[in-house]
Amino acid sequence: EAGVAQSPRYKIIEKRQSVAFWCNPISGHATLYWYQQILGQGPKLLIQFQNNGVVDDSQLPKDRFSAERLKGVDSTLKIQPAKLEDSAVYLCASSEFLGLGDTQYFGPGTRLTVL
Amino acid sequence: AQSVAQPEDQVNVAEGNPLTVKCTYSVSGNPYLFWYVQYPNRGLQFLLKYITGDNLVKGSYGFEAEFNKSQTSFHLKKPSALVSDSALYFCAVREGGGADGLTFGKGTHLIIQP
Repeated sequence: EAGVAQSPRYKIIEKRQSVAFWCNPISGHATLYWYQQILGQGPKLLIQFQNNGVVDDSQLPKDRFSAERLKGVDSTLKIQPAKLEDSAVYLCASSEFLGLGDTQYFGPGTRLTVL
Repeated sequence: AQSVAQPEDQVNVAEGNPLTVKCTYSVSGNPYLFWYVQYPNRGLQFLLKYITGDNLVKGSYGFEAEFNKSQTSFHLKKPSALVSDSALYFCAVREGGGADGLTFGKGTHLIIQP
C-alpha cells in the first residue's frame, strides 16, 4: 500500500514570497491533516479535512495560510506572504475515517526555509 | 485543553538493556494515546495506540506502552534496546468528544549506545 506522498521535499524562499505544498493521501482515506513542525517541537495541527470539507482550521493563520482539498483527495497548502517564522517542516497525514482512535499516517514532510 | 508532556529531552540506554520513554497527558475526557517515531529527514511512523481495553498495548518493532489512568501516564517501553531504535519519539493525545487533531509532546531523543 502506497503511503502519504508530499512534494516538494525541500523549499527555500525569501520572506514575502509565496509557496505551495502538495499532498496525496493514502488511497481511500477520507480525513486529511496538515501539521507544522518547528525545529525542536512536536507537530502542531494547522487544518483538518473530512473529504473536501474543513473540520477544524482554528490554528491556521488565515491571514497568510490557505488550504484546499477540492475533490476530496489531493490537498494543497499555501503560504502568502511567507515570514521568517514559517520556517518549519510541513507534514501531511491521513486517516481512513474521522474517529478519534483512527491512526494517522504521515508523509515525509516538506522542509521550508524562509530567508 | 488537551496537553502532553515528555519530561526528558534525551534518554541514553545501552544496547540490550530495557528502555523507557516517559509521557504524561492532561485531558478532561477520555484519552486516546499514540506513540510515533521519527527518523532524520523522514515523517512520523506510527508505533502503537491506546483507545480502550487492556492497559498494556503492544506495537511495532517490539515496543509496548502501559496506560496508567491514575498517574495519567503512557510510557513507552522495550525489553531489549537495539542501536537501530535510536530516533526521536513523540507521544500524542486526542480527547474523546473533541474534534481536534493530535496534540504532540515535544519529543524525546532516544540514543542506544553499542
